[in-house]
Amino acid sequence: AQKITQTQPGMFVQEKEAVTLDCTYDTSDQSYGLFWYKQPSSGEMIFLIYQGSYDEQNATEGRYSLNFQKARKSANLVISASQLGDSAMYFCAMIPPGGGYNKLIFGAGTRLAVHP
Amino acid sequence: EAQVTQNPRYLITVTGKKLTVTCSQNMNHEYMSWYRQDPGLGLRQIYYSMNVEVTDKGDVPEGYKVSRKEKRNFPLILESPSPNQTSLYFCASSFGQGVRSPLHFGNGTRLTVT
Repeated sequence: AQKITQTQPGMFVQEKEAVTLDCTYDTSDQSYGLFWYKQPSSGEMIFLIYQGSYDEQNATEGRYSLNFQKARKSANLVISASQLGDSAMYFCAMIPPGGGYNKLIFGAGTRLAVHP
Repeated sequence: EAQVTQNPRYLITVTGKKLTVTCSQNMNHEYMSWYRQDPGLGLRQIYYSMNVEVTDKGDVPEGYKVSRKEKRNFPLILESPSPNQTSLYFCASSFGQGVRSPLHFGNGTRLTVT
């Protein structure tokens, strides 16, 4: 069965520094998609970045980049130049090809606190 | 503005009193689903829908019903809510269902059942 593991319940970072949020996944599928979502204290889920299992390059979206190491089955999120507004819960998620429609498998999340 | 709209944002109810959480999307997405979020468990899928009148169970469907009579709407119905259904609920939609289709989430509905 597919599974997402986020081993860091909480992380702290100083404003303007970079931070890496860890995500490992377990799947026997060759084709899959990996996503990161941000959930601020207001509760909404915000899509940040996507990485396909066959994508040769690591995904980047502005200050977000995904450090994808397929052999290690890891998909860490890197946030560069942290801002106070980055304080939130971050979820790593995967959609396997046979996982059903709209069926994301989520990790338990990492709470990031950015300090001034 | 493209969005998924859920209502209400907050709901407190008592055990056994039927309730409906509405969800509407304006992106003409075919795929819609409901998730619940509980501490330490991440998000778990309750039901999903591939198109009008086509729905199926997710991982935790017990105690819930859904309907998809129109493409844009996907309400979640709790016929007889119980305290273990106290949770944060999200509706989501996507254009496709493959690995390259990110989900767009609503703002969530925080339900408390006493």
